[in-house]
Amino acid sequence: QKEVEQNSGPLSVPEGAIASLNCTYSDRVSQSFFWYRQYSGKSPELIMSIYSNGDKEDGRFTAQLNKASQYVSLLIRDSQPSDSATYLCAVRRSGGGADGLTFGKGTHLIIQP
Amino acid sequence: EPEVTQTPSHQVTQMGQEVILRCVPISNHLYFYWYRQILGQKVEFLVSFYNNEISEKSEIFDDQFSVERPDGSNFTLKIRSTKLEDSAMYFCASGASSTEAFFGQGTRLTVV
Repeated sequence: QKEVEQNSGPLSVPEGAIASLNCTYSDRVSQSFFWYRQYSGKSPELIMSIYSNGDKEDGRFTAQLNKASQYVSLLIRDSQPSDSATYLCAVRRSGGGADGLTFGKGTHLIIQP
Repeated sequence: EPEVTQTPSHQVTQMGQEVILRCVPISNHLYFYWYRQILGQKVEFLVSFYNNEISEKSEIFDDQFSVERPDGSNFTLKIRSTKLEDSAMYFCASGASSTEAFFGQGTRLTVV
């Protein structure tokens, strides 16, 4: 059974601070990892993907992957009120191919102005 | 900016009826997916489609479900005999490669 676990929150962060979102996964052979943002009543929006251990930066976002610990995280620097949303961690078994993503339930992030 | 388009945005159907949810993936994308999200729950994978055939399907995707890419642009999900528990938001997604999946705005299916 593939599981992706996230703290549901809410996680409250002051504007301008760093928001840190965490995710663990159970399937040790997972190869691809994704972070999506979902505003209430909207569809998931891809933020970034990561495949190798270490950090990957894209603008204000940094994804971190530790396959040995089966742990993925997302850092959001200089948090803005518009970052308030639910952040979904998703995992895929293969590095390529068209197999589906297994999603966590998401962490509800609130950026306080 | 290109986007995945889904129709209708909301569908109400009676239990036991057939429904077809329609999607127009982003042009030139090769990988297509259907997901669903029951209200308040996580996004769940249903099926993936590549090279004109199903690549993977979840245990949710039973014989009541089918997918088609009838004309090279549309991608449809059919539910043959809807149940109350099929009520959910259904998302279509597509990607140019296997490393991405861009979601449409979803179709809210309500089975009464």
